[in-house]
Amino acid sequence: RKEVEQDPGPFNVPEGATVAFNCTYSNSASQSFFWYRQDCRKEPKLLMSVYSSGNEDGRFTAQLNRASQYISLLIRDSKLSDSATYLCVVNDYKLSFGAGTTVTVRA
Amino acid sequence: DTEVTQTPKHLVMGMTNKKSLKCEQHMGHRAMYWYKQKAKKPPELMFVYSYEKLSINESVPSRFSPECPNSSLLNLHLHALQPEDSALYLCASSQVMGTTTDTQYFGPGTRLTVL
Repeated sequence: RKEVEQDPGPFNVPEGATVAFNCTYSNSASQSFFWYRQDCRKEPKLLMSVYSSGNEDGRFTAQLNRASQYISLLIRDSKLSDSATYLCVVNDYKLSFGAGTTVTVRA
Repeated sequence: DTEVTQTPKHLVMGMTNKKSLKCEQHMGHRAMYWYKQKAKKPPELMFVYSYEKLSINESVPSRFSPECPNSSLLNLHLHALQPEDSALYLCASSQVMGTTTDTQYFGPGTRLTVL
């Protein structure tokens, strides 16, 4: 089983829609999680950290479910600029990356 | 400021060339990382430096040689690379390696093509 698994998508949504996707992790002792976004041919950029049950930053909400070992990311009121690959990352002293979920927001 | 800079942005080299990638951060971070990323794949860790000492080498071939001249700089020396080494090479830094709350910040990367 991979350490971090994500639905690769793609999620193709219209502007203004809400999109959500999950990430599962294998190490039940993991404490620290991140969502990074990566645009095509660019570097990963930190979107948010998730240490407790969840985190919210504007239109973005991350939730952590320790019992089921998954993290979710929800994007409300999607913008064209939200089109990217979203990387789920687990920090067990080294970063373990999911393969990424591709989101495309269309006009 | 969470800026990590990398030079060059693009590099094309032959299999017999020697080149170096450079990374710099001025955030006072004491951990620096090299990652390799192939198209449509997540970044793969190559090396970690903690307090200017090599802490992790993820069994990277010796044709890649890292160097940390000081706490702000990280180099990756390349020699006798293979075409399959073509990838985006990302540098990252974080305050301290090995804590679960530590956050890594990535540089823009060097896109390497080996002919």
